[in-house]
Amino acid sequence: GDSVTQMEGPVTLSEEAFLTINCTYTATGYPSLFWYVQYPGEGLQLLLKATKADDKGSNKGFEATYRKETTSFHLEKGSVQVSDSAVYFCALSSIGGSNYKLTFGKGTLLTVNP
Amino acid sequence: DVKVTQSSRYLVKRTGEKVFLECVQDMDHENMFWYRQDPGLGLRLIYFSYDVKMKEKGDIPEGYSVSREKKERFSLILESASTNQTSMYLCASSFGGLLDEQFFGPGTRLTVL
Repeated sequence: GDSVTQMEGPVTLSEEAFLTINCTYTATGYPSLFWYVQYPGEGLQLLLKATKADDKGSNKGFEATYRKETTSFHLEKGSVQVSDSAVYFCALSSIGGSNYKLTFGKGTLLTVNP
Repeated sequence: DVKVTQSSRYLVKRTGEKVFLECVQDMDHENMFWYRQDPGLGLRLIYFSYDVKMKEKGDIPEGYSVSREKKERFSLILESASTNQTSMYLCASSFGGLLDEQFFGPGTRLTVL
């Protein structure tokens, strides 16, 4: 079945450091790919998405490129802030039963220190 | 503003009790989902519904049931709660389709003693 593997955390960085969180996937067909973020005490919210190969999703300084040849969707940010501290989930959208569903990775906890 | 609300943020129940978790969305979404979130395991899909009175099993439906009598409301039911159902429960909704994002509620942290 479909699956998502993302790098294990926790990841601890200093403010203004470069961030990469790796994500690879296994899926049949051509899934859409997502990054969700969960801030402390809140539900998940969509950070960015890409719907086909070579698409780049971007939001709030974060970027990820849909790489079909390497089945990857790595999350990057050039300069992290303390407010980026959160759990990040990579996910893919695929058909499940009669409709579409998301399959999530296990999440990566990011802590950014001032 | 898009909103998914869950009936409780924290809930404590005893083993064997019947537990109802309620979720309401105000976006007229077709699809609704229940997940549980556990450390080291990420989010796992319990059940989802793509229309009123319709439901489909997710990856871990055992020990759970659901009810969707109205479009805006999706209930998760633990018929006889057990300690291994202690978890964070997240509800989500979407219009449906491959491209559509899911909108999540704040979660209910359930403890079964």
